[in-house]
Amino acid sequence: RKEVEQDPGPFNVPEGATVAFNCTYSNSASQSFFWYRQDCRKEPKLLMSVYSSGNEDGRFTAQLNRASQYISLLIRDSKLSDSATYLCVALGGNQAGTALIFGKGTTLSVSS
Amino acid sequence: ETGVTQSPTHLIKTRGQQVTLRCSSQSGHNTVSWYQQALGQGPQFIFQYYREEENGRGNFPPRFSGLQFPNYSSELNVNALELDDSALYLCASSHGGAYQETQYFGPGTRLLVL
Repeated sequence: RKEVEQDPGPFNVPEGATVAFNCTYSNSASQSFFWYRQDCRKEPKLLMSVYSSGNEDGRFTAQLNRASQYISLLIRDSKLSDSATYLCVALGGNQAGTALIFGKGTTLSVSS
Repeated sequence: ETGVTQSPTHLIKTRGQQVTLRCSSQSGHNTVSWYQQALGQGPQFIFQYYREEENGRGNFPPRFSGLQFPNYSSELNVNALELDDSALYLCASSHGGAYQETQYFGPGTRLLVL
């Protein structure tokens, strides 16, 4: 079983739509979680950290459910510029150091 | 921009050859992590260096080795290249010692093994 699993998509949505990505993680020792965004042929960039209380940054809302080992990302009012791959990430709990454990990524395509 | 740089940007090698990839960390950061990203996959952790010492390793064979220098820049060396080593190699820098410290990625090196 992969440590971090997410639906690869692709998700094809029109501008203005609301889209939700889900992710599960298997290592209950993982303490920190993130969503990274990766544009085609570019490096991953931190979109937001995910906290137990949930957090919001503009049109983006992230939630963490430790009991279910489940993480989500909600994007409201999608823009063309949101088209990218979204990577769910856990900070490794069973590897020495602070290794980021990535899911395969979910591809989002927003069309006009 | 993150301030993390990598060289070279692209590289073509043949099976059996050896390659060295370089990473300069962001100013003030003492930790460098290396990741391999195959096409269509998420990045996979190779290893991490903190203050010139290896601080964790993923499931990669010993032919993947690394080094960190006193200025905290780092090298990734891969010996006896295989076709499956073709990937985007990413380094990320962070300030170690803080468990939840954000890792900032460089632009990556694209390696093609023929």
